[in-house]
Amino acid sequence: GQQLNQSPQSMFIQEGEDVSMNCTSSSIFNTWLWYKQDPGEGPVLLIALYKAGELTSNGRLTAQFGTTRKDSFLNISASIPSDVGIYFCAGQHTGTASKLTFGTGTRLQVML
Amino acid sequence: KAGVTQTPRYLIKTRGQQVTLSCSPISGHRSVSWYQQTPGQGLQFLFEYFSETQRNKGNFPGRFSGRQFSNSRSEMNVSTLELGDSALYLCASSRTGQGIEKLFFGSGTQLSVL
Repeated sequence: GQQLNQSPQSMFIQEGEDVSMNCTSSSIFNTWLWYKQDPGEGPVLLIALYKAGELTSNGRLTAQFGTTRKDSFLNISASIPSDVGIYFCAGQHTGTASKLTFGTGTRLQVML
Repeated sequence: KAGVTQTPRYLIKTRGQQVTLSCSPISGHRSVSWYQQTPGQGLQFLFEYFSETQRNKGNFPGRFSGRQFSNSRSEMNVSTLELGDSALYLCASSRTGQGIEKLFFGSGTQLSVL
């Protein structure tokens, strides 16, 4: 099945650093979502983006809906140990909200 | 408000057996969708149920099936298990599964096929 391309695949960062990751698709999506998954748990929704060019924040997280509608970006500022986990982007088409296309994931590890 | 509940959390089966997984959506949510997560293929959409009917389907063989009850609870069944069916099976719910609704996921059922 299709997966969106996420980069980087994994990253080690120092606590307090900012983090950036992105997600690209060969097709257009109407909505971009960012999820975080902890080991053995299901994905938890972090941010939803509904319009091309939209910039949305949730605490230390900021995400952007790319202007081409084929990409999205997530930034985490001042990382802390609990930011550790796998971050997934997901694309959604209007009308089929339940059928998400997920990215390959970015594994984030924070060094104290 | 309780989240999406999946049971059991862990299952171990052998090849050729069948398995049934259960999902209770968030109260008021009528759309339930199922995803398979593996290290190689990532998160893949299996199917979605709404009002006891399968409304969307992913690219999985017919061994994977599901159903939804009148209270919106859903079950997923995998028959004639193969080693490659080992995965984390996730259930997600939303109010109607249409428009631009947010999906909320359960913690999943970790299935191991030996």
